[in-house]
Amino acid sequence: GQQLNQSPQSMFIQEGEDVSMNCTSSSIFNTWLWYKQEPGEGPVLLIALYKAGELTSNGRLTAQFGITRKDSFLNISASIPSDVGIYFCAGRPWVLTSGTYKYIFGTGTRLKVLA
Amino acid sequence: ETGVTQSPTHLIKTRGQQVTLRCSSQSGHNTVSWYQQALGQGPQFIFQYYREEENGRGNFPPRFSGLQFPNYSSELNVNALELDDSALYLCASSLDQGTVYTFGSGTRLTVV
Repeated sequence: GQQLNQSPQSMFIQEGEDVSMNCTSSSIFNTWLWYKQEPGEGPVLLIALYKAGELTSNGRLTAQFGITRKDSFLNISASIPSDVGIYFCAGRPWVLTSGTYKYIFGTGTRLKVLA
Repeated sequence: ETGVTQSPTHLIKTRGQQVTLRCSSQSGHNTVSWYQQALGQGPQFIFQYYREEENGRGNFPPRFSGLQFPNYSSELNVNALELDDSALYLCASSLDQGTVYTFGSGTRLTVV
């Protein structure tokens, strides 16, 4: 099935470091979402982006909707141990081209924070 | 306000059997989407239901079917289970088509 490309696939970082990850698509999206998933749980919404160039923050998290509409970025500042988890991007293509209102998910970035 | 609840949380079935997974949408949400998440992968779209009608389907065979009820809760049915159907099945509800999803905790299905 279709999935978005996320990078990096995984990363180990020291507590206090900043983290950056991104998500790219071959087609244009009109909404980008970022979710975090912890073991045994469903994804939890972190940030939603609706406009090209939009920059939105949620505490230490900041996400941007790429100008080309084909990518999105998530930054975590001053990481802490509870940031551990898998981060997924999800994009929604134009309904006129996709025919549905579905969201397509990325492959995930696995984050591990070393205390 | 209750969130999205899924049942059962875990399930073990034998190849060839049939299974029904259930999802109660968040209060006020009229759209339910189902996703399959294999180990180490991102969620894959199965289908979406909007006001009791199927509203889009991913690349899954017809043995994956669903229903949405008047109270907007939903079921996912899988017939003739195969080993590759082993996965976490996630249900997500949304206020309307295209709005952000709220996910349940999922049902872990193991086919042996």
